[in-house]
Amino acid sequence: GQQLNQSPQSMFIQEGEDVSMNCTSSSIFNTWLWYKQDPGEGPVLLIALYKAGELTSNGRLTAQFGITRKDSFLNISASIPSDVGIYFCAGHGYGGATNKLIFGTGTLLAVQP
Amino acid sequence: NAGVTQTPKFRVLKTGQSMTLLCAQDMNHEYMYWYRQDPGMGLRLIHYSVGEGTTAKGEVPDGYNVSRLKKQNFLLGLESAAPSQTSVYFCASSELHGYTFGSGTRLTVV
Repeated sequence: GQQLNQSPQSMFIQEGEDVSMNCTSSSIFNTWLWYKQDPGEGPVLLIALYKAGELTSNGRLTAQFGITRKDSFLNISASIPSDVGIYFCAGHGYGGATNKLIFGTGTLLAVQP
Repeated sequence: NAGVTQTPKFRVLKTGQSMTLLCAQDMNHEYMYWYRQDPGMGLRLIHYSVGEGTTAKGEVPDGYNVSRLKKQNFLLGLESAAPSQTSVYFCASSELHGYTFGSGTRLTVV
């Protein structure tokens, strides 16, 4: 099945560092979403992007919808220990009325105090 | 407001046994989904529903069945469990954009 290519697979950083992760697809998406999953919990929506070129912030998080509609990135500034978790990108393709999301394979973030 | 509630949270099955996972949402969402999450594979869609009384196959539907008799509930059934179905199962619901996920069911098939 179709999946998004998400990189890096994992990151181990020191508290206070900035983080960047990205997602690419071979097909065009009309919406990009970024989720965070804490251990033992379901994913929680962080940021939603609806237009090509859109740049959106949520606190220390910034995400952009790529101009080509085939990629997106998420930046986390000044990381803190509670940023630990798995980050997923997800996208809605064009067409259909099913509202299905396609998920990336996730980026595991570990933050050392 | 509970959001999306999944039961049970944990379950161990023997190969060949059957079980049903229950998902309930209180947000009046039309769309509901069942995903499985395996290490390195991300979230893969099993089945989904676009409204009460409707169901459709997702990416990995084999070995699973679903029912959506009531708008707020979406049931996932395993008729004859296999070790390959050991996974963490997540239910989600949505309207337009942005899914709300439950906290998952960890299933082990031995």
